[in-house]
Amino acid sequence: ELKVEQNPLFLSMQEGKNYTIYCNYSTTSDRLYWYRQDPGKSLESLFVLLSNGAVKQEGRLMASLDTKARLSTLHITAAVHDLSATYFCAVAENSGAGSYQLTFGKGTKLSVIP
Amino acid sequence: GAVVSQHPSWVICKSGTSVKIECRSLDFQATTMFWYRQFPKQSLMLMATSNEGSKATYEQGVEKDKFLINHASLTLSTLTVTSAHPEDSSFYICSAGSGNSPLHFGNGTRLTVT
Repeated sequence: ELKVEQNPLFLSMQEGKNYTIYCNYSTTSDRLYWYRQDPGKSLESLFVLLSNGAVKQEGRLMASLDTKARLSTLHITAAVHDLSATYFCAVAENSGAGSYQLTFGKGTKLSVIP
Repeated sequence: GAVVSQHPSWVICKSGTSVKIECRSLDFQATTMFWYRQFPKQSLMLMATSNEGSKATYEQGVEKDKFLINHASLTLSTLTVTSAHPEDSSFYICSAGSGNSPLHFGNGTRLTVT
């Protein structure tokens, strides 16, 4: 059974600071997603990481994947209040029929304070 | 724009009644659709996986007779919560995928059973 552990679960940080969210998973996978969720809303796709060593950046967020270590990171640079949200990683397993089933981490609730 | 449309966004119903939620892929054919449930301050939990034209595969602990899933076409899947009770109140989210395309999520349906 695939297990996905995300930490920290809660993160309060000051604007302008840097921090990293970690996502460990228990079985082999070469496809990992990061999502953002605002209160009362659905998921917003941030990154799709498809291979070992993949690194993607969008604005103040950068995600990486190490399939050998079964670890992905989401790095926040110079945080701003607008980044306050809950961030989920999700690891994919091939579900057949050409699609993927996702197992989610518990999420990291990020609060960026002035 | 949204590639997966979920309807309705909010629904309040009385205990004992049934509620149908629709999930449509707007500009691609979704061979597989996934239904998730999210309780407050928790992560997404996969309820079932549905493939077009075949029976849905339910996760352990999810009652298939209570949560009826129909995936009659490549662009539409429906989830019907039958004889809803207050403990079924939750945020229901669908996602759709095909091939190697990233899974797209609907905007979610907030169900409140009174």
